Parts: sequence; structure tokens; C-alpha cells
Amino acid sequence: QVQLVQSGAEVKRPGSSVKVSCKASGGSFSMYAITWVRQAPGQGFEWMGAILPIFGTTNYAQMFHGRVTLTADEGTSTAYMELNSLKSEDTAVYYCAQMNPMAGWFDPWGQGTLVIVSS
Amino acid sequence: DIQMTQSPSSLSASVGDRVTITCRASQGITNYIAWYQQRPGKVPKLLIYAASTLQSGVPSRFSGSGFGTDFTLTISSLQPEDVATYYCQNYNSDHSLTFGGGTKVEIK
Repeated sequence: QVQLVQSGAEVKRPGSSVKVSCKASGGSFSMYAITWVRQAPGQGFEWMGAILPIFGTTNYAQMFHGRVTLTADEGTSTAYMELNSLKSEDTAVYYCAQMNPMAGWFDPWGQGTLVIVSS
Repeated sequence: DIQMTQSPSSLSASVGDRVTITCRASQGITNYIAWYQQRPGKVPKLLIYAASTLQSGVPSRFSGSGFGTDFTLTISSLQPEDVATYYCQNYNSDHSLTFGGGTKVEIK
């Protein structure tokens, strides 16, 4: 089964951007969507969007539309999530997960990347 | 967006008890619901998809049911390793993959 490994924790200033990577190994990358979900401290999950690497097609949650950009590099089996105009409320653990594009559940998940937004 | 309302938000039960968690969708989602377990400090783990299909490797004491707007996750005999927060997720729409607020399960 595929394993997803994410980049390390980040500390960012308000108004800046962050780019988190998610590298897949041991399974198919291009044929499955990579989805991104975040979890603020002590809170539940917010779905941010998904990308299907084989076509590069993206789907964004309305609340993040215009502020998040998802990309994927098939050559390195790596997906990226860039979030702009960071605010303190964006402090969260950001997860990538694989999703069958014909289904909609997430499995497996990456280990998570903590992003702290603080001045 | 479809809202997913989970209840209870937390519960405490004894080892061996039967535990039931419910999730209600704000509109019909047929069987497009998944359940996840997140142990403290850990990555979420898929338990059930399509409302009632057990993910490979998940113990058979976990089960799911429901259709339309009302769904349940049942643990038939609670074990110490089941201490976690459980989340439901709707995937009825490509543009709205929403989660319930979570149910924290503790051992009494």
C-alpha cells in the first residue's frame, strides 16, 4: 500500500505563504487523488481540496477557494499544498491523504505537518 | 455544504460495553459516509466506508449502518485500545467533503 510522507513543521508570519509537500511511495500515485485536510488544535477536520495527479485537475472547498493551490509532480510522486495570506486561525496540522477518485474516503493519510502562524 | 452532526460529543464506557455513535446528515447522502478513528496524537485511520463496509484489517467489533441521513458506528465490545476520537465523513459531493465534529470515547 502507498505510504505518504509529509514535509516538516513550519512557523510562518501572518500574511505570508506556506507550501507543504506530500511524497508517495510504494504504490500508485497518479491514478488516485491526493486530498488535503487540516485540523486546528483540539478541533475537528476541515477538507481543503483535492488533486488528481494524472490529469492535474483540482477541486477546492469553497472556504479556501482563492487562497489554496494544489499541485502534483508525477515524476517525483509528490503533491503540494500552498496556502496564502496566512492568518493565526490557519495554525493547524495539515494532512494529505489518498482518495479513490471514484469514491471519496481517505486512506492512507500522511503523518501530518504542523503549521504555526504567529507574529 | 452538507452538515454532519455527531452525537454524543463524548462518552465514557466500561471495557466490554457496546458503544454506539451516531451521525446525522443535513440532507440525504445515500450511503456515502466513512468513519475514522483518531487515537490521541496519532494519524486518523479509516475504519468503515460506504456506511457499512469494514476496511481491511479493522477488527470485526466495529460495524457501521445507516442510509440517507442517519448513520451509526458501533463498537460491539469496547477495548482499551479503542480510546480515541471518532469522526464521520460525508463524501456525497465532490465539492463538499465534510466531517462530523467528533466523538471522544474514554474508558470508565
